[in-house]
Formats: sequence, structure tokens, C-alpha cells
Amino acid sequence: GENVEQHPSTLSVQEGDSAVIKCTYSDSASNYFPWYKQELGKGPQLIIDIRSNVGEKKDQRIAVTLNKTAKHFSLHITETQPEDSAVYFCAAITYFGNEKLTFGTGTRLTIIP
Amino acid sequence: DSGVTQTPKHLITATGQRVTLRCSPRSGDLSVYWYQQSLDQGLQFLIQYYNGEERAKGNILERFSAQQFPDLHSELNLSSLELGDSALYFCASSVGRRETQYFGPGTRLLVL
Repeated sequence: GENVEQHPSTLSVQEGDSAVIKCTYSDSASNYFPWYKQELGKGPQLIIDIRSNVGEKKDQRIAVTLNKTAKHFSLHITETQPEDSAVYFCAAITYFGNEKLTFGTGTRLTIIP
Repeated sequence: DSGVTQTPKHLITATGQRVTLRCSPRSGDLSVYWYQQSLDQGLQFLIQYYNGEERAKGNILERFSAQQFPDLHSELNLSSLELGDSALYFCASSVGRRETQYFGPGTRLLVL
């Protein structure tokens, strides 16, 4: 089955700096890659997603890049703010395949004021 | 607020007991998914229902079962509970079988 690896497990950045979280996946048939943000005591919240026919997607301060050849995708957060502090999960799914969303192990992002 | 609701928010029970967790999907969503989140296992997919029928199965124990009712709400039944079943249980929903999943706030289960 699909295996998703996520790095780093913890990340601290100064407010205003950029943060990058990287994930790799094992199933070359995976075709949908969402990113979720989970704040303490809450459920995961979708923040951005990308499909396999797109290389990059941006939404204000958040961007995701996908390299299908390397089976690698990354989350980029620019101009970080204290409210960006949370745990971030990447995930991958193979639609028209086993259709099970497989999550990375999470990155705890701390923004230092 | 994702529009997915889960009850109860917290549940404390004893080993060997049985509990039922409830999920109401977003209005219009036909698919419901159940996930378990524990400290050492991360977010693990348990099971998916689409319009009342089981669609996909993940790492769901035989002691666990779920169903989706005609009004599309879903219940996850956990029986013969063990200490290791203590975790957060999330429900998610999506419009179809292969659309973006939106998560509820979760049920925190503590087995003593």
C-alpha cells in the first residue's frame, strides 16, 4: 500500500520567515495530495490540495509543489504568523485505486514571535 | 467549522465495554470516513461508507464496526474495549467517493 513520509517532525521559525514541509510518497499511481492543519483540540482542516496534473498551486501565503518524477511534494508557508502554529499533515490518495487517504506523520510548526 | 458534527466530544469508559460514536456529514455529502488518531500511530484510516454502503476498509479491528444510515449519518461501534483503543476518533465527509474530505472535531475516547 501507499506509504507517506513527512519531514521534519518539528519546525520552529521566526515570525515573518518562511516554512517548508516536505513529503514523499511510494505509490506512483497516487493522484491527489491534500495538506491539513490541525490545531490543538480540533480536527484536521484542509488548507490546500494539489492534483497530479498540476505542478504547483498557490493560495495567498500558502503554496504546494509536486514533483511526480521524484514522488515528492512540499508545503510552503511565507510570511509566517503566530496563528500558523499547528501540526501540519500531508496526505496522498490513489483515486481509481485503493482510494485510502494515507497521512504523513505530521510536522509540529512553531512560529516564534 | 467544517460542517461535520461528531458526538460525543469526550467519552470515558472501562475496558471490556462498548461505545458508539456518531457522525453527521456536511449537508449534501454522501461519503463518510472514520479515522483513528493516536500518539504513536498518527492518523489511520478505518473505513469509508458511500451512500449507505461500505466502500473501503483500512486498518479496522474486528471489534470495531460501522454503518451509514439512510439519512447519511454514520455510527462507529467499538466493542470489547482495550486500553490501547484510547485515541481521538475523527469522522470526515465528502461529496462523492473521490472528493476532498472535510473533518469533524473528533471524539476523544479514554479507556480506563
